[in-house]
Amino acid sequence: NAGVTQTPKFRVLKTGQSMTLLCAQDMNHEYMYWYRQDPGMGLRLIHYSVGEGTTAKGEVPDGYNVSRLKKQNFLLGLESAAPSQTSVYFCASSSFPAAPVSSGNTIYFGEGSWLTVV
Amino acid sequence: AQSVSQHNHHVILSEAASLELGCNYSYGGTVNLFWYVQYPGQHLQLLLKYFSGDPLVKGIKGFEAEFIKSKFSFNLRKPSVQWSDTAEYFCAVAGTYKYIFGTGTRLKVLA
Repeated sequence: NAGVTQTPKFRVLKTGQSMTLLCAQDMNHEYMYWYRQDPGMGLRLIHYSVGEGTTAKGEVPDGYNVSRLKKQNFLLGLESAAPSQTSVYFCASSSFPAAPVSSGNTIYFGEGSWLTVV
Repeated sequence: AQSVSQHNHHVILSEAASLELGCNYSYGGTVNLFWYVQYPGQHLQLLLKYFSGDPLVKGIKGFEAEFIKSKFSFNLRKPSVQWSDTAEYFCAVAGTYKYIFGTGTRLKVLA
């Protein structure tokens, strides 16, 4: 069971470079999310998707773009990386919308991608 | 606005001590609450969740949480912690289409 897989796990970028983080889930989930985790700030939602072909902004979307061309994949792009985007990025997926939530719903996380922008 | 507050940012306990981590939420709809744990260098894993029914929820590894609607709280407890419980703990509330997380509590258990 792969669950949620993120690539790459580690990356160092120079300021101004671009890159794409790939998230893949094999659970046929409709909903996918990108969070960033920073010390003392918990997890903050960057963008999310409620289904193939849809995307929506979260709390901290600036500087990021996303695409959901296939149901199982959710890509996070940085067009021009900045040091403030140094963070750990987590992708997640769930089978139902967060509300209303059935007793079986939960959100599953990938293992994280450590990004450093110098 | 939907939000989650975790008041204890760092907690240090000795093995066998009891644990209680506070979580308060702000959400106007039907409440669905979660506690996740993140061990060093790993991703978040579900500890327990509350959807409805019995407000005392039991999770994995001896953890439990109590939903108190009148206090908007969902505190995490464990009667006797172990060194292996050293981790960061996140409370979360399920909002519309997304999950809102607290800032986390780092627990260190001394052997």
